[in-house]
Amino acid sequence: GAGVSQSPRYKVAKRGQDVALRCDPISGHVSLFWYQQALGQGPEFLTYFQNEAQLDKSGLPSDRFFAERPEGSVSTLKIQRTQQEDSAVYLCASSLRAFANEQFFGPGTRLTVL
Amino acid sequence: AQSVTQPDIHITVSEGASLELRCNYSYGATPYLFWYVQSPGQGLQLLLKYFSGDTLVQGIKGFEAEFKRSQSSFNLRKPSVHWSDAAEYFCAVGYTGTASKLTFGTGTRLQVTL
Repeated sequence: GAGVSQSPRYKVAKRGQDVALRCDPISGHVSLFWYQQALGQGPEFLTYFQNEAQLDKSGLPSDRFFAERPEGSVSTLKIQRTQQEDSAVYLCASSLRAFANEQFFGPGTRLTVL
Repeated sequence: AQSVTQPDIHITVSEGASLELRCNYSYGATPYLFWYVQSPGQGLQLLLKYFSGDTLVQGIKGFEAEFKRSQSSFNLRKPSVHWSDAAEYFCAVGYTGTASKLTFGTGTRLQVTL
């Protein structure tokens, strides 16, 4: 595709539900990033993949957050037992190379936990 | 830990006036610096980037930014603002050795009056 796509664009979950957010990066991009953007804040790093390898997950806020990229392309961010504080926009970005490269962002998934 | 400060939360300028958005980053040997723009409900669009070389970089939509290592700053400028520039602007920094993970500032909301 022409850009990074994310689905769903909006997700409403009841507290305690599990959710899965999908990211389709630009074809051929090696690196994939997930960021969390709370209301009125800048994006904050969650995790990073180089191809299928998750090289950095230091930003995941708890063990309820899990991300995967099994074939080195599409990635899924899963949140188990959602809490109200998980409400945010989740942004996915991809970049062509592994290091020092600009990141292209998707439109984000807005998650609201009731 | 790396950090980015955008001291202006909200700025209002008249259409046709000049603009400068401030950005300061925490000390780092070789920072990579970016400015992104985000319109409501949209993802982040890259305006410009600095990796090395000329400290004055040109971007899209008539924006430019100047890297000043001595001041740890990367301020964004535009000589004449258009109403369509109203959006949220984010400065971001990455460093070698961090696999291009970006740290963002909290953003500056630009309002343009006609």
